[in-house]
Amino acid sequence: AQSVTQLDSQVPVFEEAPVELRCNYSSSVSVYLFWYVQYPNQGLQLLLKYLSGSTLVKGINGFEAEFNKSQTSFHLRKPSVHISDTAEYFCAVSDLGGGSYIPTFGRGTSLIVHP
Amino acid sequence: NAGVMQNPRHLVRRRGQEARLRCSPMKGHSHVYWYRQLPEEGLKFMVYLQKENIIDESGMPKERFSAEFPKEGPSILRIQQVVRGDSAAYFCASSPTGQGTDTQYFGPGTRLTVL
Repeated sequence: AQSVTQLDSQVPVFEEAPVELRCNYSSSVSVYLFWYVQYPNQGLQLLLKYLSGSTLVKGINGFEAEFNKSQTSFHLRKPSVHISDTAEYFCAVSDLGGGSYIPTFGRGTSLIVHP
Repeated sequence: NAGVMQNPRHLVRRRGQEARLRCSPMKGHSHVYWYRQLPEEGLKFMVYLQKENIIDESGMPKERFSAEFPKEGPSILRIQQVVRGDSAAYFCASSPTGQGTDTQYFGPGTRLTVL
């Protein structure tokens, strides 16, 4: 069975500062990893995903994430945040456990960007 | 290209009534997933359907909840005899192939309030 841990429930940061949102996962098989963003009163939308190949993945809105197999992590980073990045961020993992690829989502990290 | 549509966006029911939530997947997508989101708890998988088939309902409560995805028309999540604890945001997502590499495309959600 797979699981996802997002270590921080809330991350406050000032505008133009760098940010890292942490995600660790556990799985007994190879995984696919995703970061989604949810703006207030909206559904989730994909920021980026790791399927294979280069461990550094670049996504939309200037975000990137690095897959670290030895540490079972997939932390999300942005070098300089904007007010508009204030949102809930979800890490997700999918594998073939159970016979179908049902992604498991973390509990979310609320990124709060202050002016 | 229309995205995933969900209606209604907001639904108010009294205890004991039935709630019907509808989801139309993206054009060309035949895989539909339902999730429930409670504050501070992230996104919980409920059920995964393909046209006319339930593939995985491991996250569905055993009683009062049912889901379908008929050959024609939207997917329906049905909650009978609602209780206050059913109050939550319910999200539908669709994907093209059901594989682990798929991006899930989310609708805006239905916010159910049980009085």
